[in-house]
Amino acid sequence: NAGVTQTPKFQVLKTGQSMTLQCAQDMNHNSMYWYRQDPGMGLRLIYYSASEGTTDKGEVPNGYNVSRLNKREFSLRLESAAPSQTSVYFCASSEADRGQGGNEQFFGPGTRLTVL
Amino acid sequence: GNSVTQMEGPVTLSEEAFLTINCTYTATGYPSLFWYVQYPGEGLQLLLKATKADDKGSNKGFEATYRKETTSFHLEKGSVQVSDSAVYFCALINGGFKTIFGAGTRLFVKA
Repeated sequence: NAGVTQTPKFQVLKTGQSMTLQCAQDMNHNSMYWYRQDPGMGLRLIYYSASEGTTDKGEVPNGYNVSRLNKREFSLRLESAAPSQTSVYFCASSEADRGQGGNEQFFGPGTRLTVL
Repeated sequence: GNSVTQMEGPVTLSEEAFLTINCTYTATGYPSLFWYVQYPGEGLQLLLKATKADDKGSNKGFEATYRKETTSFHLEKGSVQVSDSAVYFCALINGGFKTIFGAGTRLFVKA
């Protein structure tokens, strides 16, 4: 049981290049999320997918797109990278809430992205 | 709207000292409250949670009590260890599944 996996672990891009961050979970969770973490700013939600086949914008969606490929996989794409997108990106997943007051999120190890 | 405010860090303590990290929240109704921990180079992981008023969450010697009257969920540990050095995030879920995180508090524990 690997939990949440992310690839790659590190990436350096030049301004204007594109790339896709991959995320997969093996816990059969319905909901998946992409966050970015910047120094002093905590975690900011980029996009989320409440269930397979749906995606929605979070707090900071500009410059990103997502695809919920199936229940296991949720990818994040940067079409034209900018230096402001230098950050650590985390994928997370959680079970659907069944009236138990909200379920914890399980996080991947992160992708450290630098845009030059 | 929903929000979480936690004390700014870094917090630096000596081993075996008492730890408190303050967390207050703004939310309507009855949110569930969480503490997550992030060790260097890793993703966040759940430390403890509480789903209703007066509940106490506990794990690995850490405790936090859900105080509705003061809208607080302060994290405490009686005797910290060097291995507790990490960033701690207070968070809430209110009537859905999206989690609202605080900005995080970095803890350094010196031997």
